[in-house]
Amino acid sequence: GAGVSQSPSNKVTEKGKDVELRCDPISGHTALYWYRQSLGQGLEFLIYFQGNSAPDKSGLPSDRFSAERTGGSVSTLTIQRTQQEDSAVYLCASSLRWGLTGADTQYFGPGTRLTVL
Amino acid sequence: QKEVEQDPGPLSVPEGAIVSLNCTYSNSAFQYFMWYRQYSRKGPELLMYTYSSGNKEDGRFTAQVDKSSKYISLFIRDSQPSDSATYLCAMSLTGNQFYFGTGTSLTVIP
Repeated sequence: GAGVSQSPSNKVTEKGKDVELRCDPISGHTALYWYRQSLGQGLEFLIYFQGNSAPDKSGLPSDRFSAERTGGSVSTLTIQRTQQEDSAVYLCASSLRWGLTGADTQYFGPGTRLTVL
Repeated sequence: QKEVEQDPGPLSVPEGAIVSLNCTYSNSAFQYFMWYRQYSRKGPELLMYTYSSGNKEDGRFTAQVDKSSKYISLFIRDSQPSDSATYLCAMSLTGNQFYFGTGTSLTVIP
């Protein structure tokens, strides 16, 4: 079966432009996460979707960042008016669910490498 | 103070050595502790998961959690060149939000 896929794999944009990053989770996974990975900064949580519940947006760094998940499957992360500090690898992960018996495995996609010139 | 602290390395060891990777954390409420391995230009993959304190062993890998010291470790026995990667620790209170370390870069020299 296919894993988590992300597109594009690389994106170069100019400062001030908007970008959309796409994540296709594993079929049937109800939980979906977005992270940002910058050099020397580790993974920074951005947003979490779980089923039909309201997303946890507590990690979004500014109102230029937004994300949606359509039909409980594909998710799009949008960054408006990009800044140079937005340059990073954006990773998506999905998991079956977070159950009472413990943590489900998060499966990560390969990431989108965003460069803002 | 960061929620999770991890020495970035880099760490270089000869093949067959025992590797010790560590993280410290500040939030005593963390319950779930994970180690991920990340190869270059790939997403992280889960290696080990531990709930609360204690040890967990899986093949050449052993994860330890010491909640009293707020310290977790990953040991790799008989290290192989294929173990060369970045190792990330991660922690969570309830599973909705994960806090990651910055990762330790490991190179195992044949």
